[in-house]
Amino acid sequence: QKEVEQNSGPLSVPEGAIASLNCTYSDRGSQSFFWYRQYSGKSPELIMSIYSNGDKEDGRFTAQLNKASQYVSLLIRDSQPSDSATYLCAVRRSNTGNQFYFGTGTSLTVIP
Amino acid sequence: EAQVTQNPRYLITVTGKKLTVTCSQNMNHEYMSWYRQDPGLGLRQIYYSMNVEVTDKGDVPEGYKVSRKEKRNFPLILESPSPNQTSLYFCASSLGGTAIEAFFGQGTRLTVV
Repeated sequence: QKEVEQNSGPLSVPEGAIASLNCTYSDRGSQSFFWYRQYSGKSPELIMSIYSNGDKEDGRFTAQLNKASQYVSLLIRDSQPSDSATYLCAVRRSNTGNQFYFGTGTSLTVIP
Repeated sequence: EAQVTQNPRYLITVTGKKLTVTCSQNMNHEYMSWYRQDPGLGLRQIYYSMNVEVTDKGDVPEGYKVSRKEKRNFPLILESPSPNQTSLYFCASSLGGTAIEAFFGQGTRLTVV
C-alpha cells in the first residue's frame, strides 16, 4: 500500500471553474500535510500546508483535511490556464522523524 | 535572492564512477533533504538532515551517501552509480521546526549508462 495516493488524472476543467484534487494517506499518525504545484520541467513549489481538521483558505486555494477519513483535498477556485500543472500531495509522518512522502501527482489542465 | 542551488543540472556518467551532486542554500535553513523523482513513482526522499552533522535515512537511501559539515551545504554522493539510479534529483531546504519542504533546487538530471 502506498503511503500517499492520488489520482494521476489528467483532470481537465474549463477556465473559471473549480478544480478539485484529492489525496489519501495510509498512516493515521501523520501530522502535517502539504500541496505542491510542479510545472513541467520545473521544481515543486509549495502552495499550502494544513495541520488540523477542516478547511484552510489562501486566495483561490482551499485545502481540506479529514484525519478520520485520512483524506486531504485541494480546491482551486476560478481556475486559470496558468494553474495547469501537476499537483503533488505530501505527508510528514511525525512518528518516523521527518520523513516526507509524496503522491505521484495529479495532472491538471485548465481549458481557456 | 533566496535560493537552493544544485550542481550540475545535467550529468551523464558510467556505471561505477563515483560522483557528487552539490546542494547549497543561502537562507540559513536548518533542514535539508534529497529526493529522486521517477515517472509513476513520484518524489521519494533519499536522506534528510535536521542540522549540521545530523543526517537520517529517508525512504530510499540505498546506494547514496550524504554529509552535512556546514549548514549551507548538503552534497549527495553516489559511490558506485548504477543504471537504476538514473533519475531526476531534487534538493530541498526549510527553516526547520515544522520542517516544511519549502524550497526546492532546480533539479539534477542524472543518467548512468
